[in-house]
Amino acid sequence: AQSVTQLGSHVSVSEGALVLLRCNYSSSVPPYLFWYVQYPNQGLQLLLKYTTGATLVKGINGFEAEFKKSETSFHLTKPSAHMSDAAEYFCAVSVAFSGGGADGLTFGKGTHLIIQP
Amino acid sequence: DARVTQTPRDKVTEMGQEVTMRCQPILGHNTVFWYRQTMMQGLELLAYFRNRAPLDDSGMPKDRFSAEMPDATLATLKIQPSEPRDSAVYFCASGLETGDEQFFGPGTRLTVL
Repeated sequence: AQSVTQLGSHVSVSEGALVLLRCNYSSSVPPYLFWYVQYPNQGLQLLLKYTTGATLVKGINGFEAEFKKSETSFHLTKPSAHMSDAAEYFCAVSVAFSGGGADGLTFGKGTHLIIQP
Repeated sequence: DARVTQTPRDKVTEMGQEVTMRCQPILGHNTVFWYRQTMMQGLELLAYFRNRAPLDDSGMPKDRFSAEMPDATLATLKIQPSEPRDSAVYFCASGLETGDEQFFGPGTRLTVL
């Protein structure tokens, strides 16, 4: 079974500062990794994903994440925070079935990102 | 602009009543997922379907929850009888391929009194 740990339920940064949200995963097989964002009273929107290939993946709104197998990590970063980045961020993992198709997502508990003006 | 739709968006009911939530996946997506979000447990996978066949419902309380896909354009999640601990936001998501993005609906906020 897979699991995801997000360090820090709340992260506060100043506008213009670096955003770093941490995610570590556990999986017995090569994982697919995702970051989703959730704004209040809305569904989840994909920021970026890692499936195979390049370990540094770029997503929407200037976010990127690096898959580090040796560290079982998939931390999310953004060089300069904007007020509109304030939201809940979820790291998630899934694995592929040998017969095709993907398993459901296992989510971390989420990190609430606060942007200070 | 293709998106997953869910109805109702909000549902308030009394303990013991039956609740049915509906989801219309994105046309052409062959995998449909049901998740539940609560403050205490976070986001949990309840069940999912591929090509309308149930693949895994191990996350669902079997005695009161049931999930079906009557056709490719409709997925339903039913709770009978409902209990206050079922209060949560229920999300439907759909996807297409291995490792593909799952597209989430806006959710159904269920309150059981």
